[in-house]
Amino acid sequence: GAGVSQSPRYKVTKRGQDVALRCDPISGHVSLYWYRQALGQGPEFLTYFNYEAQQDKSGLPNDRFSAERPEGSISTLTIQRTEQRDSAMYRCASSQGRGPEAFFGQGTRLTVV
Amino acid sequence: AQKVTQAQTEISVVEKEDVTLDCVYETRDTTYYLFWYKQPPSGELVFLIRRNSFDEQNEISGRYSWNFQKSTSSFNFTITASQVVDSAVYFCALSEAFNFGNEKLTFGTGTRLTIIP
Repeated sequence: GAGVSQSPRYKVTKRGQDVALRCDPISGHVSLYWYRQALGQGPEFLTYFNYEAQQDKSGLPNDRFSAERPEGSISTLTIQRTEQRDSAMYRCASSQGRGPEAFFGQGTRLTVV
Repeated sequence: AQKVTQAQTEISVVEKEDVTLDCVYETRDTTYYLFWYKQPPSGELVFLIRRNSFDEQNEISGRYSWNFQKSTSSFNFTITASQVVDSAVYFCALSEAFNFGNEKLTFGTGTRLTIIP
């Protein structure tokens, strides 16, 4: 696509429910990144993929968070048993992998009530 | 470990004034990249500039200019003749030396800039 697309744009969920956030990167982009941005803070790295391989998941806060990119394109970030502290903007970025110029999507605003 | 500090949490200036946003970084890498992003009220992150650590030349793009000083580990951003449309949160970010597909960014906490008409 023309840009990085994330869905849904807004998600309200009850505590304890699982949520899946989707990222559709720019066509042909090799690398895909997930970030989380709390209110009033800068984005914080969660994980990234080259093609379908998850290269670094050091930023995932705990084992309730997981991500996949099975075919090297669309990625899903899943949060199990959501907690109120998971409320944040979740941002996805993609790049060609040949230089540090990542393009960000609009983000998914997650609210856990 | 990498760190980016934006000490100015909020700045307000009257329209047409110049304003400088400060960014100080820490890294052990000798090769790295520095970025500025703009987050307008609509919420998206808009890429403004990327500089690599070997290029200390200042850069000007219209009303925007950037001053990179390795000696003080700073990468400051100046807006001249500010306009209301410049109101946004601005983030400075750092990326380690480029390895294929390893371009994760470390962001500062951002500076909220308000331009008063």
